[in-house]
Amino acid sequence: EDQVTQSPEALRLQEGESSSLNCSYTVSGLRGLFWYRQDPGKGPEFLFTLYSAGEEKEKERLKATLTKKESFLHITAPKPEDSATYLCAVLRMGYNQGGKLIFGQGTELSVKP
Amino acid sequence: ETGVTQSPTHLIKTRGQQVTLRCSSQSGHNTVSWYQQALGQGPQFIFQYYREEENGRGNFPPRFSGLQFPNYSSELNVNALELDDSALYLCASSLSQGSSTPRTQYFGPGTRLLVL
Repeated sequence: EDQVTQSPEALRLQEGESSSLNCSYTVSGLRGLFWYRQDPGKGPEFLFTLYSAGEEKEKERLKATLTKKESFLHITAPKPEDSATYLCAVLRMGYNQGGKLIFGQGTELSVKP
Repeated sequence: ETGVTQSPTHLIKTRGQQVTLRCSSQSGHNTVSWYQQALGQGPQFIFQYYREEENGRGNFPPRFSGLQFPNYSSELNVNALELDDSALYLCASSLSQGSSTPRTQYFGPGTRLLVL
């Protein structure tokens, strides 16, 4: 059964304290792994797509990496505005065109000044 | 470029009632997916529409139904509302072009539904 697990569930950092969020997955035929950021009461905001093991993507203080079994979201020198829930999802194909996203439960990141 | 929009933003219904949620896809996108997000959980796939037809469905009962219109906008209908249907309902749009390359899904702000 396809499954996505994120850890930790919650992470509290001081401003400038770098860390990593983990997303482990089991899915038959990975067609893409996606990272989203979600602020309270809002829809997920797209951050990155990774397609194959070894791939890396960067955006400002965020860097996403992918292996055959997990993905990491590295946050370098975070700022309070980075506080949000970070969602990981894998794309499950098997439909006629688009496919569905299978999400983890998210990591709630809090960055204190 | 217009992003994904959803209406209404909030809704309160009572158990047994019916509700319709609406979504306008991002400009140029032809595929719409609906997700249900309970508090503290990740979104769960309800179904997807492509070319006005249902293109896949998650583990939701038939009282969850949908439509896609020629302009690619979409509706989610839920009949016989239950207390557990209280959640944030998210619409996501993407562009499908018949290739095998997966396309990123972009989400709207969601509709918060409360069932009393």
